Amino acid sequence: EPEVTQTPSHQVTQMGQEVILRCVPISNHLYFYWYRQILGQKVEFLVSFYNNEISEKSEIFDDQFSVERPDGSNFTLKIRSTKLEDSAMYFCASTATGAQPQHFGDGTRLSIL
Amino acid sequence: RKEVEQDPGPFNVPEGATVAFNCTYSNSASQSFFWYRQDCRKEPKLLMSVYSSGNEDGRFTAQLNRASQYISLLIRDSKLSDSATYLCVVNVAGNQFYFGTGTSLTVIP
Repeated sequence: EPEVTQTPSHQVTQMGQEVILRCVPISNHLYFYWYRQILGQKVEFLVSFYNNEISEKSEIFDDQFSVERPDGSNFTLKIRSTKLEDSAMYFCASTATGAQPQHFGDGTRLSIL
Repeated sequence: RKEVEQDPGPFNVPEGATVAFNCTYSNSASQSFFWYRQDCRKEPKLLMSVYSSGNEDGRFTAQLNRASQYISLLIRDSKLSDSATYLCVVNVAGNQFYFGTGTSLTVIP
């Protein structure tokens, strides 16, 4: 069964540094998402992406964050000038159509020191 | 007001028990509804979609009440492997999905 893959599985970064989290969605999917989950808390929507542009974003997704699909397969989340509170699990998801159930990657655990 | 609300539990039930989880959503324009399960430190995995007429998949039954903006999940004959957090997910118009906080279930031998 096709999978969403995310790399790295764990990223440790100094506060203030930039990080890029990578995702390879399922190949025939058209909608892509990033979520974060702070330890012990709920899954929070960050952003959705369709047709090479952001279609929805949450209040969390401020100027510190950006997304890109540079090459037709990778879908990246960049966090500039990381803060301690950015420490969380970041999940990528994709769907074939906008309202279909999402398929999630294994997640990247981001630890900011 | 939260978009999706769930009783966080925890629910601790013996093997073989029947357990029900409830979820309410605030946006009447919500279009699609799902139950996911999430194991500790793992990604959410789709358990089942929820259809207007209600639907069943083995030991799992999902129901939707649009008038009351309420979704439920019933698990019959609980197994140890059912221990997880169950997430209610709602899709509003567009492609934004709202997650509940999750309901924690532990099935006890």
